[in-house]
Amino acid sequence: GEDVEQSLFLSVREGDSSVINCTYTDSSSTYLYWYKQEPGAGLQLLTYIFSNMDMKQDQRLTVLLNKKDKHLSLRIADTQTGDSAIYFCAVPGGSSNTGKLIFGQGTTLQVKP
Amino acid sequence: DSGVTQTPKHLITATGQRVTLRCSPRSGDLSVYWYQQSLDQGLQFLIQYYNGEERAKGNILERFSAQQFPDLHSELNLSSLELGDSALYFCASSATSGGGPDTQYFGPGTRLTVL
Repeated sequence: GEDVEQSLFLSVREGDSSVINCTYTDSSSTYLYWYKQEPGAGLQLLTYIFSNMDMKQDQRLTVLLNKKDKHLSLRIADTQTGDSAIYFCAVPGGSSNTGKLIFGQGTTLQVKP
Repeated sequence: DSGVTQTPKHLITATGQRVTLRCSPRSGDLSVYWYQQSLDQGLQFLIQYYNGEERAKGNILERFSAQQFPDLHSELNLSSLELGDSALYFCASSATSGGGPDTQYFGPGTRLTVL
């Protein structure tokens, strides 16, 4: 079945850029998602990218997709302490008419002032 | 606030017991999803219901069952509980059956502790 891998931890200084990486196995994924989980809260959708795109920019967020290598990344520009959270990459894991998502293990982003 | 409500917030029970977790989706959303988040397994998809019908199934144990009612709220029933069932259980809802891009809105979760 589908497998999604992420590194577990990233530490950056406030103002730096953060890059969170994700690899997946199923090349038929149509949409790929990034979710954010703040302490004690549920997940919230940050952004998504369609598989026919290489890049998507949304304010401070840039998503890069390398379909050949099945690699997805999330870049956060000018990282702030409020960006400290767990970031999850997610890809569809079922047939095209279901919403089943397979999540990576999550990357904990620590932003130091 | 995502608009998805889950009750209770916390649940402490003993091994062998049965519990019911409840979820109310966002107004207008037809799909409800259940996920389990634990330290060792990460975030795992359990099951999806769309407009009252089961739509997709993940690694849901036979001891677990779910349903979606005509008013679209959903319940997840966990029985014969084991220590390993201790986890955070999230409910999410979305407008469609899936196929993307279909934003899933997550509730705050129910933390289940089995002693």
